[in-house]
Amino acid sequence: AQTVTQSQPEMSVQEAETVTLSCTYDTSESNYYLFWYKQPPSRQMILVIRQEAYKQQNATENRFSVNFQKAAKSFSLKISDSQLGDTAMYFCAFMGNAGGTSYGKLTFGQGTILTVHP
Amino acid sequence: DAMVIQNPRYQVTQFGKPVTLSCSQTLNHNVMYWYQQKSSQAPKLLFHYYDKDFNNEADTPDNFQSRRPNTSFCFLDIRSPGLGDAAMYLCATSSPSRLDAQYFGPGTRLTVL
Repeated sequence: AQTVTQSQPEMSVQEAETVTLSCTYDTSESNYYLFWYKQPPSRQMILVIRQEAYKQQNATENRFSVNFQKAAKSFSLKISDSQLGDTAMYFCAFMGNAGGTSYGKLTFGQGTILTVHP
Repeated sequence: DAMVIQNPRYQVTQFGKPVTLSCSQTLNHNVMYWYQQKSSQAPKLLFHYYDKDFNNEADTPDNFQSRRPNTSFCFLDIRSPGLGDAAMYLCATSSPSRLDAQYFGPGTRLTVL
């Protein structure tokens, strides 16, 4: 079974600074997808970024970028120029693409609470 | 704007009293999911529909059922809620396949008295 580990339960950053959230995963599959989702307090889960494992290029969405290290099974999220609205719980998630029970299903990490301070 | 809508946003029920949560979507997505999320935890997949094909997770209690009468709507029925079923219930959709990103609704917070 796949596992996703976020080793930082809480992080904080000053507004306009850069912060990196860590995520590692364990899988025997070679082709899969990785996601970062953001869940602001009392608000809905929003997709931040999606990475396809067969693509070597790291995904980027505006101020959000990932560092995908396939061999190390690491998928960190970098938030540049942090804004107060970035305060949220961030979930790293794995989705299998090789059939079996993980196909098309998200396995979430435990989440990291990020607080952006003014 | 195309979106995933969940009603009600807050639901209070009594122990053992059946309750139904609703999800609708204007995205015309063919895959719909139900998750349970307890406080400060990751969402846990209960089941999903791929078109009309229902897929139950092995560890989803029999107390939880789902219906999808058409593409737009999906319901979560909890037949006899227990105190342990108090949680946020999230609906999500994806298209055209289960490998695409999932889009979540705002959730329904269920309280069991």
